[in-house]
Amino acid sequence: DIQMTQSPSSLSASVGDRVTITCRASQSISNYLNWYQQKLGKAPKVLIYAASSLQSGVPSRFSGSGSGTDFTLTISSLQPEDFATYYCQQTYSTLWTFGQGTKVEIK
Amino acid sequence: QVQLVESGGGSVKPGGSLRLSCAASGFTFSDYFMSWIRQAPGKGLEWVSYISSRGSPIYYADSVKGRFTISRDNAKDSLYLRMNTLRAEDTAVYYCARVPAPYWHFDLWGRGTLVTVSS
Repeated sequence: DIQMTQSPSSLSASVGDRVTITCRASQSISNYLNWYQQKLGKAPKVLIYAASSLQSGVPSRFSGSGSGTDFTLTISSLQPEDFATYYCQQTYSTLWTFGQGTKVEIK
Repeated sequence: QVQLVESGGGSVKPGGSLRLSCAASGFTFSDYFMSWIRQAPGKGLEWVSYISSRGSPIYYADSVKGRFTISRDNAKDSLYLRMNTLRAEDTAVYYCARVPAPYWHFDLWGRGTLVTVSS
C-alpha cells in the first residue's frame, strides 16, 4: 500500500498567517492527491483535488502544489473558520489512503 | 437537493453483523463511483471500500477485506456496506461519499452513521 505522511501533525497559527502543510507519498502518485478539511463533529470537505485544482466554492486562499511524492497545501492568510484538521489522500493506486492529519489550532 | 444520507448504524457485539445504507438524491447516482470511509473516535480518516458506477470493479482496504461487502442498487439510488465478523476496532463513524472521475476525490459526503462494536 502507498503510505501518506503529513507534517506537521499539528501547528499553532494566528489569523492572517500563511500556513503550509506537507504531504509525502511512499512512492510516486503523479498528481492523484486530494486535500480535505474537517471541522469537529462534521464530515470532511474537499478543498483541492488533482494536487492543485481548487474545488468549486472553496476560497482562493487555499492552494495546492506538487507532483510525484511531495505535495503542499497552503493557506495564504489564515481565517478564523480555517481552524480545523486537514488530511491528504492519494487515489493513484487501487487502494486509496489518507495521511494521518494535521490539526491547525489558534495561537 | 444534492445529498447522501447514511443509515443502519448501531451497537453490535464482536462477531456480529450490520448492514449500512446510503441513500443518494439530487444527482444521477449511476454516473458515479461511490465509496465508504470511516473514522474511529478521536482518530483520522480511513478509506474502507469503493465501487464503480456499474458495480465492478470493487476494492477494499486490507483491514476489512473478506469481512465487508460493498454493493449498490442504481435503480434505488442506494449504496450499501455489509459488515460481518465485526471487531472492536471497527467502531467508527462510517461515511459514504461520491467519487467523480477522473481524479477520484470525495466531493460529496453524508453526515455519517456510528457503528459501535462492544461486548
